[in-house]
Amino acid sequence: EPEVTQTPSHQVTQMGQEVILRCVPISNHLYFYWYRQILGQKVEFLVSFYNNEISEKSEIFDDQFSVERPDGSNFTLKIRSTKLEDSAMYFCASSGPSGGFRGDTQYFGPGTRLTVL
Amino acid sequence: AQSVTQLDSQVPVFEEAPVELRCNYSSSVSVYLFWYVQYPNQGLQLLLKYLSGSTLVKGINGFEAEFNKSQTSFHLRKPSVHISDTAEYFCAGKWGGGSQGNLIFGKGTKLSVKP
Repeated sequence: EPEVTQTPSHQVTQMGQEVILRCVPISNHLYFYWYRQILGQKVEFLVSFYNNEISEKSEIFDDQFSVERPDGSNFTLKIRSTKLEDSAMYFCASSGPSGGFRGDTQYFGPGTRLTVL
Repeated sequence: AQSVTQLDSQVPVFEEAPVELRCNYSSSVSVYLFWYVQYPNQGLQLLLKYLSGSTLVKGINGFEAEFNKSQTSFHLRKPSVHISDTAEYFCAGKWGGGSQGNLIFGKGTKLSVKP
């Protein structure tokens, strides 16, 4: 069964450094998402991406964050200058092989645990 | 703002006992509801979803949930749990128009099945 993959599984970085989290969505999906979960808190939406542009973003997704689909398979989340409070599990998801329907299932990857020291 | 509440952070239960994981949501207007499960070191996997129609939704692994509009609840149930059901369960909702929309999650409930 096709699945969403994410690399690395765990990333440790120093405060102020840039990090790039990578995701490979399911190949025929067109909608891509990033969520995060700070330890002990809810999974929170960050951003959705369709047709090479951001379609929705939350208040969390400020100028420090950016997303990109650099080629036909990868979807990346960049944090320009990491802060301690960016430490969290980051989940990538994809949905919608065609058309786009609000009830489409979002398929999640296993997550990248980001630790900012 | 829309929200999803999972009242129980942890639910311990013995094997073969029934279980109910509770989920309440803020508004029934244009809502789609989902239950996801997360096994250790794995991603979130869809158990079931309610879009419209029958209020009783059956999912994978013997789970089911009932959409209750008057109580704004979408509780997850299983009549007899197994050790392998030990995992974290997330209730999520999607509201509003637009072709996709983001998921709003509850805090999750850790189900611990004991022999």
